[in-house]
Amino acid sequence: GENVEQHPSTLSVQEGDSAVIKCTYSDSASNYFPWYKQELGKGPQLIIDIRSNVGEKKDQRIAVTLNKTAKHFSLHITETQPEDSAVYFCAASYDKIIFGKGTRLHILP
Amino acid sequence: ETGVTQTPRHLVMGMTNKKSLKCEQHLGHNAMYWYKQSAKKPLELMFVYSLEERVENNSVPSRFSPECPNSSHLFLHLHTLQPEDSALYLCASSQDRDRGGYGYTFGSGTRLTVV
Repeated sequence: GENVEQHPSTLSVQEGDSAVIKCTYSDSASNYFPWYKQELGKGPQLIIDIRSNVGEKKDQRIAVTLNKTAKHFSLHITETQPEDSAVYFCAASYDKIIFGKGTRLHILP
Repeated sequence: ETGVTQTPRHLVMGMTNKKSLKCEQHLGHNAMYWYKQSAKKPLELMFVYSLEERVENNSVPSRFSPECPNSSHLFLHLHTLQPEDSALYLCASSQDRDRGGYGYTFGSGTRLTVV
C-alpha cells in the first residue's frame, strides 16, 4: 500500500542553524505534499504545502523542495528559533492523504 | 483557534462509562475525519465522512461509534473502552475528501485517558 517515510525521527539543532527533514513517498500518483507542525497540546497545523507541478516553494524561513523523479520531498527551516521546537509531519496525497511518522525538532539555546 | 473546535479538551473515563467527543467546523468543508494519535505512533485514520456519509472505517473496534448529523458537526461516541484506547483524538476537516489535494484543518484534540 501507499507509504510515506520520514527521517529523522528526532532532530536537535542549535538556535540559528538550519534544520532539514526528509520524506519519501511510494505512490507516484501523489500530487500534493503538505507539511504540518504540531506544538505541545495542540493539533497539527498546516505550515506549507507544495503541488507536483512545482519544484520548490518558500515562505519566509521555511521552504519545501520536491523531486518527483526520486519521490523525495524535504522541509528546510533556516535561522531556527526556539518557537520552531515541535513535531513536524510530512504527508503525500492523491486520492487519500498519507502521513509520515513525524520528526521531533528540538532547538537548542 | 483553527476553525475546528473539539470538546472536551481532556476526558478521563472508566472502562464502563459512555462518553462522546464533539467536533465542530464552520469552514464550509465537506469532509471530516477522526484520527487517533498515540505516543510514538503515526497518526491513525479512524473514520472519514464526506457530505455527511461515512466513506471510510479503518477497522476500528465497535466500541467507537461515529456520528455526523450535518456537515458542520462530527461526534465520536465511546463505550466500554480499554486502557489502550487512551490517546489524543483529533478531528480534522478538508474542503473535499482528498480530491485534488486539499490541506486538512485539525482541531486541538481531546486527550482521552481510560482508567
